[in-house]
Amino acid sequence: KNEVEQSPQNLTAQEGEFITINCSYSVGISALHWLQQHPGGGIVSLFMLSSGKKKHGRLIATINIQEKHSSLHITASHPRDSAVYICAVDRQGAQKLVFGQGTRLTINP
Amino acid sequence: KAGVTQTPRYLIKTRGQQVTLSCSPISGHRSVSWYQQTPGQGLQFLFEYFSETQRNKGNFPGRFSGRQFSNSRSEMNVSTLELGDSALYLCASSWGQVQGYTFGSGTRLTVV
Repeated sequence: KNEVEQSPQNLTAQEGEFITINCSYSVGISALHWLQQHPGGGIVSLFMLSSGKKKHGRLIATINIQEKHSSLHITASHPRDSAVYICAVDRQGAQKLVFGQGTRLTINP
Repeated sequence: KAGVTQTPRYLIKTRGQQVTLSCSPISGHRSVSWYQQTPGQGLQFLFEYFSETQRNKGNFPGRFSGRQFSNSRSEMNVSTLELGDSALYLCASSWGQVQGYTFGSGTRLTVV
């Protein structure tokens, strides 16, 4: 079983819909990261969380340390949000990212 | 402020050859980590350097090696290339442990 599991693996939605991507992990962590990868490969770091909730524009990320679960929400989704979203965790005691398999999001106009 | 720079962007090599990839971190960042991304395995951690010392290594064969220079620039080397080494290789830099990461655009390596 992977240490970091994301769901869903693929998600297609209409422009304007509210999007939720989930991430569960099974190891002790120092922090959890949400990353965005567009075609072509470049990765952008969206959030780093160790507790609670963070918001940036239309993106919201939450983490529940006790339940080992995090969610990424996108409000008023737009076609430019189409990308692969990756959850990654910093394992406790190690400078080493462990990645989920990614969620491919497609927003249709 | 310059981002993380990886060179080259694309590379085609033949089986059995070796390759060296370069990563220049954001100025002031002392930690550089390397990752391999393939369609089958996704993103996997290769190794991490901090102040010229390798602090962590992933589960990759000894053909994969790296180093970091005093200016924090890092290189990774893959010797005796195999077809399965074809991948996108990404590096990321950060200030240190449990800090945000900034990723480079990656080097896409194709082994033929």
